[in-house]
Amino acid sequence: SQQGEEDPQALSIQEGENATMNCSYKTSINNLQWYRQNSGRGLVHLILIRSNEREKHSGRLRVTLDTSKKSSSLLITASRAADTASYFCATDTGTYKYIFGTGTRLKVLA
Amino acid sequence: EPEVTQTPSHQVTQMGQEVILRCVPISNHLYFYWYRQILGQKVEFLVSFYNNEISEKSEIFDDQFSVERPDGSNFTLKIRSTKLEDSAMYFCASSTQGAISGELFFGEGSRLTVL
Repeated sequence: SQQGEEDPQALSIQEGENATMNCSYKTSINNLQWYRQNSGRGLVHLILIRSNEREKHSGRLRVTLDTSKKSSSLLITASRAADTASYFCATDTGTYKYIFGTGTRLKVLA
Repeated sequence: EPEVTQTPSHQVTQMGQEVILRCVPISNHLYFYWYRQILGQKVEFLVSFYNNEISEKSEIFDDQFSVERPDGSNFTLKIRSTKLEDSAMYFCASSTQGAISGELFFGEGSRLTVL
């Protein structure tokens, strides 16, 4: 598997429900970030969690990080149709690059 | 709000032609990146650039690719002789702090179509 793999690949939920996406990675990291990409657009930063943090919140977003399992999850609570997008995790391994995962395509049905 | 701008938004070219994609990073940022995304797929790292030199590059970034910061504002990606498989969305990004702790700010991308 590759550094940064999200699952599920696609997720379809009803408006108001919670959406959970997972990211697994292979090497040690300094931090992990989540990005959102609307169709045909650039990526937008959502949240960063450092390797010494276990949980972080930002508005309706909750991110967890388990460095022992090399995994992270992104929870979007009370989802809205506007949350429909692809979500990517990105890991920083201490070099001058971030490695992006394969992405989860989230569809929120109104 | 400051933003990363990319031009052109879409370029169509013939195989074997040279292409230059341009980016204007956010003015006080020091680290610059190019990524590419083949339609709807994984976002792939190409190259990072700091202090007027390449910091890291991927195996995709072969001799056909080059980057340059010709002045204080532009950051360009040149593909010397395009191939069909170079068709993709190319994203420029910049950050203040590099890969250690920096949020990446992305442009809207340049779609390259190679015929």
